[in-house]
Amino acid sequence: DQQVKQNSPSLSVQEGRISILNCDYTNSMFDYFLWYKKYPAEGPTFLISISSIKDKNEDGRFTVFLNKSAKHLSLHIVPSQPGDSAVYFCAASETSGTYKYIFGTGTRLKVLA
Amino acid sequence: ETGVTQSPTHLIKTRGQQVTLRCSSQSGHNTVSWYQQALGQGPQFIFQYYREEENGRGNFPPRFSGLQFPNYSSELNVNALELDDSALYLCASSPGTASYNEQFFGPGTRLTVL
Repeated sequence: DQQVKQNSPSLSVQEGRISILNCDYTNSMFDYFLWYKKYPAEGPTFLISISSIKDKNEDGRFTVFLNKSAKHLSLHIVPSQPGDSAVYFCAASETSGTYKYIFGTGTRLKVLA
Repeated sequence: ETGVTQSPTHLIKTRGQQVTLRCSSQSGHNTVSWYQQALGQGPQFIFQYYREEENGRGNFPPRFSGLQFPNYSSELNVNALELDDSALYLCASSPGTASYNEQFFGPGTRLTVL
């Protein structure tokens, strides 16, 4: 049972345009969400997070939006740069639980120069 | 500040053998979590160690076991290896067990079981 889903395995975007990566979850107990970026031969690197008490969090070119009623979050990258090309994982956790992260299957983003 | 390191980088074992993977946590971090990432999948939580005690476990059989040492480094042991154990094994350290304590990942150990 996949509790965190990233339905788009890949996405291609022109440099300078907006990249939108989507993530859906099924467990209503999840209250903390994160995005990680992964380059080949490296471990995932933390990008941005959001608590369920917020619906938006911004950090530079990266913004995460949370829609609790739809159990949906998205990551916006504006403007996209070639160095953003990587696999992006969303992850969710319950702050009252064992603090494990449940990851989606990832979306491979390719930013075209 | 040294980041999370893992050894070895790659490992090839045969079915039925045992393997030990190692992880050095980031300075100041007392919590280590282990994840298994199969090809084309996201990382799956195996277990977490906090101050040398197991602090939560995912849906993995008992042949997956771990240790955390007083310096907060950690080992993942897998007994009776199966072909499906072939994966990238990631460890992540954090300054505490709360969700908002961001987990910092190492580069992983690629295990191949033949």
